[in-house]
Amino acid sequence: EVQLVESGGGLVQPGGSLRLSCAASGITFSSYWMSWVRQAPGKGLQWVANVNPDGYDKYYVDSVKGRFTISRDNAKNSLYLQMNNLRVEDTAVYYCARFLEYTSGRYLPFYYYMDVWGKGTTVTVSS
Amino acid sequence: DIQMTQSPSSLSASVRDRVTITCRASQDISRYLNWFQQKPGKAPKLLIYAASSLQSGVPSRFSGSGSGTDFTLTISSLQPEDFATYYCQQSYAIPLTFGQGTKVDI
Repeated sequence: EVQLVESGGGLVQPGGSLRLSCAASGITFSSYWMSWVRQAPGKGLQWVANVNPDGYDKYYVDSVKGRFTISRDNAKNSLYLQMNNLRVEDTAVYYCARFLEYTSGRYLPFYYYMDVWGKGTTVTVSS
Repeated sequence: DIQMTQSPSSLSASVRDRVTITCRASQDISRYLNWFQQKPGKAPKLLIYAASSLQSGVPSRFSGSGSGTDFTLTISSLQPEDFATYYCQQSYAIPLTFGQGTKVDI
């Protein structure tokens, strides 16, 4: 069974740092892109970052660029999100998800979607 | 950034009703459109990818259609377990963006 389990959330003051982790099992972790998505209390979903299978290609939403870093350790089947200079507006549940590339056949386009999600970890930024 | 707009924001329905939710993209996204269901306190669940492909294990009463800028999620016969919030999401370009959600309740 494919499973993603986030950890590392908590209460932090504005300007502080946290490192989130996501442990993967039941998949060949090193073969897949991975994502972080967050959801502020009572709000919708917001994509945060993606990382490619070897960890070198990374993409971020503008609001976290320069503050958050996505990374992975394929030997440990783990995904990370280092969050620095946290702001009140970063308060959210943070989910990790597998970001799948799919094609139905040769010469056909690839499509992309997040098919497996963890249960999330809560980050609260408050003084 | 590509803006995704869902309508309605909420709707009330009854069991066995046919429910339709629409999603409009601010530019052409071909078929790079996914649909998720989320229940309170739970992680999102993938229902539909590539606009109309049903994710494995998802009941066939869920269907998706559309391409370009206009998309639809249809629940052919609403079941009690379908009361939830539904989100569309484009995967055409970074940043990936979601619609604001449609809450389906009784």
